[in-house]
Amino acid sequence: AQRVTQPEKLLSVFKGAPVELKCNYSYSGSPELFWYVQYSRQRLQLLLRHISRESIKGFTADLNKGETSFHLKKPFAQEEDSAMYYCAPDVLYGGATNKLIFGTGTLLAVQP
Amino acid sequence: DAGITQSPRHKVTETGTPVTLRCHQTENHRYMYWYRQDPGHGLRLIHYSYGVKDTDKGEVSDGYSVSRSKTEDFLLTLESATSSQTSVYFCAISGIAGGYNEQFFGPGTRLTVL
Repeated sequence: AQRVTQPEKLLSVFKGAPVELKCNYSYSGSPELFWYVQYSRQRLQLLLRHISRESIKGFTADLNKGETSFHLKKPFAQEEDSAMYYCAPDVLYGGATNKLIFGTGTLLAVQP
Repeated sequence: DAGITQSPRHKVTETGTPVTLRCHQTENHRYMYWYRQDPGHGLRLIHYSYGVKDTDKGEVSDGYSVSRSKTEDFLLTLESATSSQTSVYFCAISGIAGGYNEQFFGPGTRLTVL
């Protein structure tokens, strides 16, 4: 079945430690991939997209087509990174219109 | 924040009653979406709209209907609310589908069905 998997519900790290939030997908073709983030008491918002090859707030995401993974990484976590993170491939859904399909999310807790 | 509002922000209702949630945008975006957010399930698409009077089902559409009579408004109706529909509901908008499909989200509506 086509799906997107974020295996960790909760990831707890100490400030300054490296962070890797995992995302695996099983959609056919080459979907565009996004990471969205929801900070406490804020709206869900786009963090970064694969096509832009960008680094946002120190985060990067590497697409591995062979493993169909799009893990989110940051070398040194900060307390303000604590949030819920969603991986979201953009897939053809129910016809000719593309949709974002969100994973179940990983709650990142950065301890001081 | 992009010009998206949701109303009401909080609602408590009883099983069997109809409930309508409203999403209003001032961005003139073509695409509008309704999601529900539940622990362990993330965000799941309920319905979406690709234009006025053009809507389609998402992955969890049973028990929900939508309407879009104007570009700026997208209504989600729970025809007969059940406890399983207790959730946080998010509206989102986007200018295009596919490719640079950044979606902008509303603040959410917390619905409790007793």
